Amino acid sequence: GAVVSQHPSWVICKSGTSVKIECRSLDFQATTMFWYRQFPKQSLMLMATSNEGSKATYEQGVEKDKFLINHASLTLSTLTVTSAHPEDSSFYICSASEKAGVISGYTFGSGTRLTVV
Amino acid sequence: GENVEQHPSTLSVQEGDSAVIKCTYSDSASNYFPWYKQELGKRPQLIIDIRSNVGEKKDQRIAVTLNKTAKHFSLHITETQPEDSAVYFCAADLSGNTPLVFGKGTRLSVIA
Repeated sequence: GAVVSQHPSWVICKSGTSVKIECRSLDFQATTMFWYRQFPKQSLMLMATSNEGSKATYEQGVEKDKFLINHASLTLSTLTVTSAHPEDSSFYICSASEKAGVISGYTFGSGTRLTVV
Repeated sequence: GENVEQHPSTLSVQEGDSAVIKCTYSDSASNYFPWYKQELGKRPQLIIDIRSNVGEKKDQRIAVTLNKTAKHFSLHITETQPEDSAVYFCAADLSGNTPLVFGKGTRLSVIA
């Protein structure tokens, strides 16, 4: 089945630094990529939606200048957490949609646990 | 936009008993309802899904029912086992390129 590879699986960074998270669709073209954040014992909260070749759409309350999303190709989307702070520590996970307008199921990456110290 | 409510937030059952988790949604246009199981630190795993043209779907010990009129759907797990212990999320979706809206999750504990 469809596979989304997400890296890194975990990262520890110092406060003020930036971290890049990558999601690659390995055997299909991801026309749309969704980025979620999950705090401990909470649900997955949508951060932004990105479509290949266009700017990402951010959810209310998510700072687009802090969470930079790039979806430059149909197989790669990246999320960069800039000037990270301890409150950004969370589990970040991407989900790809294979076909626009067709519900074919969503494929999740394996997630990235970010810890900012 | 869509809003998904999930109950209960925690559920403890004895091994072998059944577990039922219920979700309601607000947008009548939603037509895809997946259920995910998430173990600690791992990605959500799709366990079953149902589309709006179907009222019930079953896969071995897991079943999902959908009532479009009432806008609610439920997950049923029979003959629960300790390995069923996890957090379960329901979700609703409008189309293939809109994001899933998740419920808040149910922490299921199966007591041996």
